Amino acid sequence: DQQVKQNSPSLSVQEGRISILNCDYTNSMFDYFLWYKKYPAEGPTFLISISSIKDKNEDGRFTVFLNKSAKHLSLHIVPSQPGDSAVYFCAAEDGSGNTGKLIFGQGTTLQVKP
Amino acid sequence: DSGVTQTPKHLITATGQRVTLRCSPRSGDLSVYWYQQSLDQGLQFLIQYYNGEERAKGNILERFSAQQFPDLHSELNLSSLELGDSALYFCASSVSGIGPQHFGDGTRLSIL
Repeated sequence: DQQVKQNSPSLSVQEGRISILNCDYTNSMFDYFLWYKKYPAEGPTFLISISSIKDKNEDGRFTVFLNKSAKHLSLHIVPSQPGDSAVYFCAAEDGSGNTGKLIFGQGTTLQVKP
Repeated sequence: DSGVTQTPKHLITATGQRVTLRCSPRSGDLSVYWYQQSLDQGLQFLIQYYNGEERAKGNILERFSAQQFPDLHSELNLSSLELGDSALYFCASSVSGIGPQHFGDGTRLSIL
């Protein structure tokens, strides 16, 4: 039973355009969400996060939107750059157990074409 | 560079053997997490330690065990290895027991 789902295995966009990566979750106890970027042969790198009390968080070119009623979040990258090409993971933290346990989605491979 | 150090980077061994993976967290981080990434699965949480104490457990097999030492480094022990244990094992750390985690580059374990 996958509690965090990234339904698009891959996404291809043109340099300079917007990249939108999507993530759905099923557990209403999740109260904190994170996005990680991963290059080959490296560990995941933390990008941006959002608490369930907010619906938007912005950091430079990266914005995360949270729709709690739909149990959906998305990561917007504007403008997209070739260096953004990587695998992006959505993750959720269960707030009920006071632990840092993260539940990860399967990842979306983003390719930004020059 | 995340500041989290994992050794070794690669490990090749045979079925039935035992291995130890090591993780040094970022300076100042008290919590350490272990994740497994198999080919056909995403990152799966195994176990979390906070300041030497076990904080949370995921789907960690009984053949696997971990500990966090007084200097806060952690070791993940995998025993009676099976072919299906071949995976990338990531360690992450965080300042407190919640919030953003910073990952090492992983140990790739190959069972022959």
